[in-house]
Amino acid sequence: SQELEQSPQSLIVQEGKNLTINCTSSKTLYGLYWYKQKYGEGLIFLMMLQKGGEEKSHEKITAKLDEKKQQSSLHITASQPSHAGIYLCGAVQMDSSYKLIFGSGTRLLVRP
Amino acid sequence: DAGITQSPRYKITETGRQVTLMCHQTWSHSYMFWYRQDLGHGLRLIYYSAAADITDKGEVPDGYVVSRSKTENFPLTLESATRSQTSVYFCASSVGDWPQHFGDGTRLSIL
Repeated sequence: SQELEQSPQSLIVQEGKNLTINCTSSKTLYGLYWYKQKYGEGLIFLMMLQKGGEEKSHEKITAKLDEKKQQSSLHITASQPSHAGIYLCGAVQMDSSYKLIFGSGTRLLVRP
Repeated sequence: DAGITQSPRYKITETGRQVTLMCHQTWSHSYMFWYRQDLGHGLRLIYYSAAADITDKGEVPDGYVVSRSKTENFPLTLESATRSQTSVYFCASSVGDWPQHFGDGTRLSIL
């Protein structure tokens, strides 16, 4: 079965610093979703990547998909306290495009 | 307001009891999902449904029952709750390949 490993598991950065979160799959990636979860709340959709080499940005968050490495990265530029939360990647399953398997998440804390 | 709502938000019960978690969505999304979130495991799929009256097992279905008589509702029942089912449960819905939208979760504690 497919597994997603996220790194780092947790991250504390000073406000204004850049950071990168990685999501590595044990199998071929057919599509990759990034979600953010605020503590005690549900998941908020950030971005969806479907093609190798695809890169998407929203505000100060950029996500890339590297098919060859079976990896996606999420990069935050000039972090703010509002970026704090848990970031989860979810991979599309080969046998059904609507089912996702998730990584265990990266906890981000941004110090003012 | 349109969206996906879960109830209750918090529940404490005892082992052996039956408990039902409710999920309601107003988008008429065809797909609905139940996940549990535990430390170190991320989100794991319990059951999912592609349409009314169509349900299927996910990664961790044992001890759970679902039904979907109406498109908008997808209740999850623990028939005889066990301590290992203490978790945070999330319901989600989607339209085919589009992103899943999640509810705010139900925090369930089984004593």
